This record gives sequence, structure tokens and C-alpha cells, in this order.
Amino acid sequence: DAEITQSPRHKITETGRQVTLACHQTWNHNNMFWYRQDLGHGLRLIHYSYGVHDTNKGEVSDGYSVSRSNTEDLPLTLESAASSQTSVYFCASSELRGDEKLFFGSGTQLSVL
Amino acid sequence: AQSVTQLGSHVSVSEGALVLLRCNYSSSVPPYLFWYVQYPNQGLQLLLKYTTGATLVKGINGFEAEFKKSETSFHLTKPSAHMSDAAEYFCAVSGTGTALIFGKGTTLSVSS
Repeated sequence: DAEITQSPRHKITETGRQVTLACHQTWNHNNMFWYRQDLGHGLRLIHYSYGVHDTNKGEVSDGYSVSRSNTEDLPLTLESAASSQTSVYFCASSELRGDEKLFFGSGTQLSVL
Repeated sequence: AQSVTQLGSHVSVSEGALVLLRCNYSSSVPPYLFWYVQYPNQGLQLLLKYTTGATLVKGINGFEAEFKKSETSFHLTKPSAHMSDAAEYFCAVSGTGTALIFGKGTTLSVSS
């Protein structure tokens, strides 16, 4: 069965370190998204991609970057981790733009100490 | 720009009671509207969506929502709550070519 996989499930890091969260989908979807979930804020869009070599900034993109070199993967990089980036991160993918049902991964719990 | 406002961060109902979760949206283009559910320690799952056509949308697990353009609302309802409905619910909006924007979520508690 097709799926979307995030790794690692849990990560602890120190402030200032570079961290990369992986997202891999086997749906062959063109569209991929990264959200962060924080209490009281719901899900906020970080970055998204509508195809290979396409990336776009979301609501809270500062301090994060993504690159899309193939259809299956959209890794999220925290250039210099900050405590404010402690959160649960969700990757999602979709087939269509706009009228889009998102398929979500199980999330990565990141703690920045 | 698009946004959604979910009224009430926490809703509590008794088993068998009506569930009503409120969502209002703001959109400069014809909106696509969604409700997602998140069970503990899981990702989000689609409950239902409105794109075009019939304004009353039926979803999974007995939930439905009505798109009311005049009120810019898309409230989620279920006639009779079940214990298994306890979860967090998110309303979301997108437009043609725009990414999905979520509300802050409403936690539904169901008591026996």
C-alpha cells in the first residue's frame, strides 16, 4: 500500500545544530507539505512543493528550508535549531492542487534543548 | 489571503448528544473547505470536504457539514456522539492553487 513516512519519530537536539527531518511518500503525489503543530496554534504551514525543484514558503518559514530533488522526498532542514522550534512536525502529500485531500505522516516530535 | 476561525478550543458533550463544532472562514477566492480529525499520537485524517455543488456534505463516521456562504461558515455536526469521537478536529480552507490553511483546532470530549 502507498504511504507517507516520516523519520525520525522523535528527535532531541541542541540549540544551534542543523537538523533534517525526512519525509518520503510512495503515492507518487506531486504536492508535498510541511506543517508544525503547537498547542494553541493548530497546524501552521512551513513550506510546500508542487513538484520537483519547486518550493514555496508558508506562514512560518523563517529558520526552515526544503529542497525537492525527486517526487518521493521533501526533507525539512532547520539551519540552526532554536528552542522556539520545539514542536511536532507533520509532512503531508496530495494529488491535486486546491481541491486537495492531504495524506499525513505520523509526525516527528522535535525537542530543541 | 485565507483563514479559518474555529470557535471554542474545547467542546464537551455526553454520549448520544448532538455534536456541533463551529468554523468560520475568510477567503478572497471561492473556497474549498475541509474538516480533518486527529486521534491521539496520530496524523490527521480527512472527515469531509466541500468543493463545489451540494452545500450539505456528508463525511465518514456520521459527520456532516453545511457550507453557508452568506454566513461564511462550515460547521461540523453529528446527531449522536460516540465515545470514539473524542479527538481533535481541524477546519481548513484552500483555494484554487493555494495550500491548505488550518484553524487552531477544537478538542472534543465525550463523556458517558
